[in-house]
Amino acid sequence: QVQLVQSGAEVRKPGASVKVSCKASGYTFTAYYVHWVRQAPGHGLEWMGRINPNSGGTNFALKYQGRVTLTRDTSIRTAYMELTSLKSDDTAVYYCARNFNGLDVWGQGTAVTVSS
Amino acid sequence: DIQMTQSPSTLSASVGDRVTITCRASQRISNWLAWYQQKPGKAPKLLISQASSLESGVPSRFSGSGSGTEFTLTINSLHPDDFATYYCQRYDSDSWTFGPGTKVEIK
Repeated sequence: QVQLVQSGAEVRKPGASVKVSCKASGYTFTAYYVHWVRQAPGHGLEWMGRINPNSGGTNFALKYQGRVTLTRDTSIRTAYMELTSLKSDDTAVYYCARNFNGLDVWGQGTAVTVSS
Repeated sequence: DIQMTQSPSTLSASVGDRVTITCRASQRISNWLAWYQQKPGKAPKLLISQASSLESGVPSRFSGSGSGTEFTLTINSLHPDDFATYYCQRYDSDSWTFGPGTKVEIK
């Protein structure tokens, strides 16, 4: 079946970086954009950006430009989101999702905690 | 940047009620709008795309309408499983935006 499986929870100190992976299965990885969405505790959903797994092209929300890097490895059907210069308010659950007329398949989420 | 708003932010309703959630865009987005349902601790679930197209497997009591800047999600005859938070999302350009969400709670 179509699914996205994300890497496990992470704890980082302020100023550090984190890289989250998202492994796709059950569909042609290069045919659908992969998006990244985060949700801080008690808050709503926030769109961060997307990557075209075929070309590697990316788009970002203004807020994240320069601090987020989206990459992919087509040989292992995996997309990555790296967030740098972490602050305490980056503590959130980070989701990857497949784009097919909206975001139709989601990963299970990766909790990232930023704490000194 | 196009902003999305939703109203109400919280909605108290009973099983069997008909509920309507409104989503507004600050500029016209044609019908490039999706609706999601999210339950605590779970990933969002896509309910409706292109403003009114019901996703496969989503109960027919859910419906969406609208175009341009104003959109609605309607749940006919609320079921116990429908108590959740609902988000709209625009996807008309290279930058997507979610609405702030509407929590549907038990009255």
